Amino acid sequence: AQSVAQPEDQVNVAEGNPLTVKCTYSVSGNPYLFWYVQYPNRGLQFLLKYITGDNLVKGSYGFEAEFNKSQTSFHLKKPSALVSDSALYFCAVRPNSGGSNYKLTFGKGTLLTVNP
Amino acid sequence: DAGVTQSPTHLIKTRGQQVTLRCSPKSGHDTVSWYQQALGQGPQFIFQYYEEEERQRGNFPDRFSGHQFPNYSSELNVNALLLGDSALYLCASSSGQGGLPASYEQYFGPGTRLTVT
Repeated sequence: AQSVAQPEDQVNVAEGNPLTVKCTYSVSGNPYLFWYVQYPNRGLQFLLKYITGDNLVKGSYGFEAEFNKSQTSFHLKKPSALVSDSALYFCAVRPNSGGSNYKLTFGKGTLLTVNP
Repeated sequence: DAGVTQSPTHLIKTRGQQVTLRCSPKSGHDTVSWYQQALGQGPQFIFQYYEEEERQRGNFPDRFSGHQFPNYSSELNVNALLLGDSALYLCASSSGQGGLPASYEQYFGPGTRLTVT
């Protein structure tokens, strides 16, 4: 079974400071990993993905994430936070199993608040 | 380029009733997945449709059923509604050609907020 843990329900940072939203996963074999963001009363917006290759993945709006296989982690980062980054962030995993498992498993989400 | 669209936006139903939610995928996508997002939780996978067939199903009872049409749009049906079915229902579309990078990304619609009273 696949699972995702986001250990922090909330993260608060000051505008201009770096931010990190943590994610660890469990999956059989190699993972496909994703970050999505959800604004109030909206659907999920895709931020970035790790499929293979370079462990540092760059995505939309200046976000990046680092895949660490030994620690089974995929933490989301941004060097300088903006107030407009305040939203709910979800990490998701899908196994790299040759195309037979298409199910995305999400974490519970982390509410990021960036203070002016 | 139209993204994923869902209708209706909001819906209020009574316990025991039946509901149908609709989804049109992003242009160029042929695969539709449905998710249930309860308040304060992450989305939970209900099922995925590809080539008008259910390709994979999550841990949801048979009260949840779906359909995909030849134009790739999809419906989610829920019978005998329970209070616990109250949630945001999200539709996501992707390209069904497994193995291609484009197939790994799922694009989500704004969701349908279902309230069961």
